[in-house]
Amino acid sequence: QQQVKQSPQSLIVQKGGISIINCAYENTAFDYFPWYQQFPGKGPALLIAIRPDVSEKKEGRFTISFNKSAKQFSLHIMDSQPGDSATYFCAAWTYKYIFGTGTRLKVLA
Amino acid sequence: EAGVAQSPRYKIIEKRQSVAFWCNPISGHATLYWYQQILGQGPKLLIQFQNNGVVDDSQLPKDRFSAERLKGVDSTLKIQPAKLEDSAVYLCASSLGPSGELFFGEGSRLTVL
Repeated sequence: QQQVKQSPQSLIVQKGGISIINCAYENTAFDYFPWYQQFPGKGPALLIAIRPDVSEKKEGRFTISFNKSAKQFSLHIMDSQPGDSATYFCAAWTYKYIFGTGTRLKVLA
Repeated sequence: EAGVAQSPRYKIIEKRQSVAFWCNPISGHATLYWYQQILGQGPKLLIQFQNNGVVDDSQLPKDRFSAERLKGVDSTLKIQPAKLEDSAVYLCASSLGPSGELFFGEGSRLTVL
Protein backbone atom coordinates (compact mmCIF):
# COMPACT_ATOMS: atom_id res chain seq x y z
CA GLN A 1 0.00 0.00 0.00
CA GLN A 2 3.01 2.23 0.38
CA GLN A 3 4.09 1.71 -3.23
CA VAL A 4 3.94 4.17 -6.07
CA LYS A 5 3.86 2.44 -9.45
CA GLN A 6 5.44 4.36 -12.31
CA SER A 7 5.34 3.74 -16.05
CA PRO A 8 6.83 3.54 -18.57
CA GLN A 9 10.31 2.53 -17.52
CA SER A 10 11.81 4.32 -20.50
CA LEU A 11 10.50 6.72 -23.12
CA ILE A 12 11.86 8.08 -26.38
CA VAL A 13 10.24 11.18 -27.83
CA GLN A 14 11.00 13.36 -30.82
CA LYS A 15 11.93 16.97 -30.21
CA GLY A 16 8.76 19.03 -29.99
CA GLY A 17 6.65 16.06 -28.98
CA ILE A 18 4.71 15.40 -25.77
CA SER A 19 6.20 13.17 -23.08
CA ILE A 20 3.75 11.50 -20.70
CA ILE A 21 4.72 9.60 -17.56
CA ASN A 22 2.16 7.95 -15.33
CA CYS A 23 2.04 7.02 -11.67
CA ALA A 24 -0.51 5.16 -9.57
CA TYR A 25 -0.87 4.74 -5.83
CA GLU A 26 -3.03 2.87 -3.35
CA ASN A 27 -2.68 4.74 -0.07
CA THR A 28 -5.36 7.41 0.13
CA ALA A 29 -3.45 9.07 2.97
CA PHE A 30 -0.90 10.46 0.49
CA ASP A 31 -1.52 14.20 0.23
CA TYR A 32 1.39 15.63 -1.70
CA PHE A 33 2.64 14.42 -5.07
CA PRO A 34 5.93 15.83 -6.40
CA TRP A 35 7.87 15.00 -9.53
CA TYR A 36 11.65 14.98 -9.45
CA GLN A 37 14.07 15.29 -12.37
CA GLN A 38 17.48 13.66 -12.18
CA PHE A 39 20.37 14.15 -14.58
CA PRO A 40 23.24 11.64 -14.68
CA GLY A 41 25.63 12.13 -11.79
CA LYS A 42 23.31 14.55 -10.00
CA GLY A 43 20.79 14.25 -7.24
CA PRO A 44 17.06 14.51 -8.00
CA ALA A 45 15.64 18.03 -8.08
CA LEU A 46 12.02 19.06 -7.57
CA LEU A 47 10.33 19.81 -10.88
CA ILE A 48 6.68 20.36 -10.03
CA ALA A 49 4.26 19.18 -7.35
CA ILE A 50 0.53 18.97 -6.71
CA ARG A 51 -1.85 18.45 -3.81
CA PRO A 52 -5.00 16.34 -4.23
CA ASP A 53 -7.39 19.28 -3.94
CA VAL A 54 -6.63 20.32 -7.54
CA SER A 55 -6.84 18.29 -10.75
CA GLU A 56 -4.12 20.01 -12.73
CA LYS A 57 -1.08 22.19 -12.20
CA LYS A 58 0.96 23.78 -14.95
CA GLU A 59 4.40 25.35 -14.79
CA GLY A 60 5.79 26.33 -18.16
CA ARG A 61 6.01 23.23 -20.35
CA PHE A 62 5.37 20.89 -17.42
CA THR A 63 1.86 19.86 -16.30
CA ILE A 64 0.69 17.47 -13.62
CA SER A 65 -2.73 15.90 -14.11
CA PHE A 66 -4.24 14.39 -10.98
CA ASN A 67 -7.17 11.94 -10.83
CA LYS A 68 -8.09 11.43 -7.20
CA SER A 69 -10.82 8.85 -7.82
CA ALA A 70 -8.53 6.71 -9.96
CA LYS A 71 -5.58 7.31 -7.64
CA GLN A 72 -3.40 8.24 -10.59
CA PHE A 73 -1.31 11.22 -11.55
CA SER A 74 0.78 11.98 -14.58
CA LEU A 75 3.47 14.33 -15.81
CA HIS A 76 3.13 15.88 -19.24
CA ILE A 77 6.09 17.59 -20.86
CA MET A 78 4.95 19.70 -23.79
CA ASP A 79 7.29 20.66 -26.64
CA SER A 80 9.90 18.20 -25.31
CA GLN A 81 13.50 19.31 -25.78
CA PRO A 82 16.80 17.37 -25.80
CA GLY A 83 17.68 19.15 -22.55
CA ASP A 84 14.71 17.40 -20.94
CA SER A 85 16.49 14.06 -21.36
CA ALA A 86 16.78 12.80 -17.80
CA THR A 87 15.23 10.33 -15.38
CA TYR A 88 11.93 11.41 -13.85
CA PHE A 89 10.60 10.15 -10.53
CA CYS A 90 7.12 10.58 -9.18
CA ALA A 91 6.69 10.53 -5.44
CA ALA A 92 3.97 10.62 -2.84
CA TRP A 93 4.06 11.90 0.71
CA THR A 94 2.11 11.11 3.82
CA TYR A 95 4.51 11.03 6.73
CA LYS A 96 7.43 10.21 4.43
CA TYR A 97 8.23 10.31 0.75
CA ILE A 98 7.71 7.18 -1.36
CA PHE A 99 9.34 7.29 -4.79
CA GLY A 100 8.38 5.56 -8.01
CA THR A 101 10.91 3.48 -9.90
CA GLY A 102 11.74 6.19 -12.43
CA THR A 103 11.30 6.81 -16.14
CA ARG A 104 14.31 7.40 -18.33
CA LEU A 105 13.33 9.97 -20.95
CA LYS A 106 15.32 10.55 -24.09
CA VAL A 107 14.34 13.37 -26.41
CA LEU A 108 15.77 13.03 -29.90
CA ALA A 109 17.03 16.16 -31.60
CA GLU B 1 22.71 29.54 -1.03
CA ALA B 2 24.92 26.48 -0.75
CA GLY B 3 23.27 23.16 -1.52
CA VAL B 4 23.58 19.80 0.22
CA ALA B 5 27.21 18.73 0.29
CA GLN B 6 28.25 15.08 0.23
CA SER B 7 31.58 13.30 0.26
CA PRO B 8 33.19 11.28 -1.06
CA ARG B 9 31.57 11.29 -4.49
CA TYR B 10 32.93 7.87 -5.35
CA LYS B 11 34.18 4.96 -3.27
CA ILE B 12 35.30 1.48 -4.28
CA ILE B 13 35.82 -1.12 -1.55
CA GLU B 14 36.07 -4.87 -1.18
CA LYS B 15 33.21 -6.75 0.44
CA ARG B 16 33.44 -6.97 4.22
CA GLN B 17 35.29 -3.64 4.36
CA SER B 18 33.79 -0.55 5.93
CA VAL B 19 32.92 2.83 4.45
CA ALA B 20 31.57 6.13 5.72
CA PHE B 21 29.74 8.88 3.91
CA TRP B 22 29.38 12.45 5.09
CA CYS B 23 26.60 14.95 4.50
CA ASN B 24 26.27 18.65 5.27
CA PRO B 25 22.68 19.83 4.75
CA ILE B 26 21.45 23.24 3.74
CA SER B 27 21.81 25.67 6.60
CA GLY B 28 18.68 25.84 8.73
CA HIS B 29 17.19 22.59 7.45
CA ALA B 30 16.00 20.61 10.43
CA THR B 31 15.20 17.39 8.58
CA LEU B 32 17.91 15.24 7.04
CA TYR B 33 17.48 12.06 5.05
CA TRP B 34 19.69 9.30 3.73
CA TYR B 35 18.41 7.47 0.68
CA GLN B 36 19.81 4.46 -1.16
CA GLN B 37 19.41 4.51 -4.93
CA ILE B 38 20.21 1.26 -6.67
CA LEU B 39 20.79 1.53 -10.42
CA GLY B 40 17.48 1.70 -12.25
CA GLN B 41 15.40 2.21 -9.12
CA GLY B 42 13.94 5.10 -7.23
CA PRO B 43 15.46 6.41 -4.00
CA LYS B 44 14.67 4.30 -0.94
CA LEU B 45 14.64 5.97 2.45
CA LEU B 46 17.19 4.53 4.87
CA ILE B 47 16.90 6.98 7.74
CA GLN B 48 15.28 10.32 8.53
CA PHE B 49 16.48 12.71 11.23
CA GLN B 50 14.57 15.61 12.73
CA ASN B 51 17.30 17.80 14.23
CA ASN B 52 19.49 15.17 15.88
CA GLY B 53 16.73 12.66 16.63
CA VAL B 54 15.80 9.67 14.47
CA VAL B 55 12.27 9.88 13.04
CA ASP B 56 12.30 6.80 10.81
CA ASP B 57 14.93 4.10 10.42
CA SER B 58 12.58 1.24 9.62
CA GLN B 59 14.38 0.35 6.38
CA LEU B 60 17.92 0.73 7.67
CA PRO B 61 19.73 -2.64 7.83
CA LYS B 62 20.86 -2.08 11.37
CA ASP B 63 23.16 -5.08 11.48
CA ARG B 64 25.51 -3.31 9.08
CA PHE B 65 24.35 0.28 8.59
CA SER B 66 24.53 3.06 11.14
CA ALA B 67 23.95 6.78 10.93
CA GLU B 68 24.28 9.72 13.24
CA ARG B 69 23.60 13.41 13.07
CA LEU B 70 25.81 15.30 15.43
CA LYS B 71 24.49 18.55 16.90
CA GLY B 72 21.60 18.45 14.44
CA VAL B 73 23.73 19.53 11.48
CA ASP B 74 26.17 17.21 9.67
CA SER B 75 25.47 13.52 9.33
CA THR B 76 27.51 10.39 8.72
CA LEU B 77 26.28 7.11 7.26
CA LYS B 78 28.46 4.06 7.89
CA ILE B 79 28.38 0.60 6.39
CA GLN B 80 30.28 -2.17 8.14
CA PRO B 81 30.81 -4.80 6.80
CA ALA B 82 29.81 -4.01 3.22
CA LYS B 83 28.10 -6.55 0.97
CA LEU B 84 27.98 -6.70 -2.81
CA GLU B 85 24.32 -5.68 -2.76
CA ASP B 86 25.23 -2.41 -1.04
CA SER B 87 26.58 -1.10 -4.35
CA ALA B 88 24.43 1.96 -4.95
CA VAL B 89 24.34 5.73 -4.83
CA TYR B 90 23.77 7.08 -1.35
CA LEU B 91 21.84 10.31 -1.50
CA CYS B 92 21.59 12.78 1.32
CA ALA B 93 18.69 15.21 1.30
CA SER B 94 17.47 17.92 3.61
CA SER B 95 14.30 19.93 4.09
CA LEU B 96 13.07 22.71 6.33
CA GLY B 97 10.66 20.30 7.96
CA PRO B 98 9.30 16.74 7.59
CA SER B 99 6.86 17.68 4.82
CA GLY B 100 8.99 20.27 3.07
CA GLU B 101 10.59 20.17 -0.34
CA LEU B 102 13.53 17.77 -0.50
CA PHE B 103 16.88 19.15 -1.59
CA PHE B 104 19.27 16.41 -2.64
CA GLY B 105 23.03 16.31 -2.74
CA GLU B 106 24.84 14.87 -5.74
CA GLY B 107 25.24 11.53 -4.01
CA SER B 108 28.05 9.17 -3.08
CA ARG B 109 28.49 6.26 -5.47
CA LEU B 110 29.61 3.07 -3.72
CA THR B 111 30.95 0.07 -5.57
CA VAL B 112 31.53 -3.08 -3.54
CA LEU B 113 33.77 -5.67 -5.25
